[in-house]
Amino acid sequence: DSGVTQTPKHLITATGQRVTLRCSPRSGDLSVYWYQQSLDQGLQFLIQYYNGEERAKGNILERFSAQQFPDLHSELNLSSLELGDSALYFCASSVEGEENSPLHFGNGTRLTVT
Amino acid sequence: QQQVKQSPQSLIVQKGGISIINCAYENTAFDYFPWYQQFPGKGPALLIAIRPDVSEKKEGRFTISFNKSAKQFSLHIMDSQPGDSATYFCAPRNGAGANNLFFGTGTRLTVIP
Repeated sequence: DSGVTQTPKHLITATGQRVTLRCSPRSGDLSVYWYQQSLDQGLQFLIQYYNGEERAKGNILERFSAQQFPDLHSELNLSSLELGDSALYFCASSVEGEENSPLHFGNGTRLTVT
Repeated sequence: QQQVKQSPQSLIVQKGGISIINCAYENTAFDYFPWYQQFPGKGPALLIAIRPDVSEKKEGRFTISFNKSAKQFSLHIMDSQPGDSATYFCAPRNGAGANNLFFGTGTRLTVIP
């Protein structure tokens, strides 16, 4: 068990809708990362937050947004959903300040857009 | 994602054999070279990692070989076991102040008894 909790595990919704994915990092980890895993694109980095502030941005669409709250949990909001947004969404956390601190991944949220 | 090319896409090895997975990268700013292991229904988990100032690192049955001039690194699994059956990702890090990883496309390893 990585200690990273993601909810819900599965989500089925229709095109055009909006959903929120939630992530609780490991205790003590200040950084949260979001990744999207799809069959044709592999694992793609979306965005990183550190202690409530955005630190790095990857291939995140404008329809997607994220935030990290004072209690360090994070939410990824996906809006105007399209069929192509169907994927596994992973959250990871790490301890900053330690050199080469590994990313600890949750078990993901599987999003299906119909 | 095109910055990292991983091969082969899939690999079948007999129990006790050696599994070799390769990763080639383009970005010379990468400064940390981990391999992640992912089982079905789970998130990736760090398996082993190497820094660019060494050419080889061994942890038990797992070894990373790193060739900085060729911009390649590989994962060797000795005495492969059925429990090693999983998907493996190379995931070098862009050291430009962030800790985000650039994942390869993955190699599905199957170890047959």
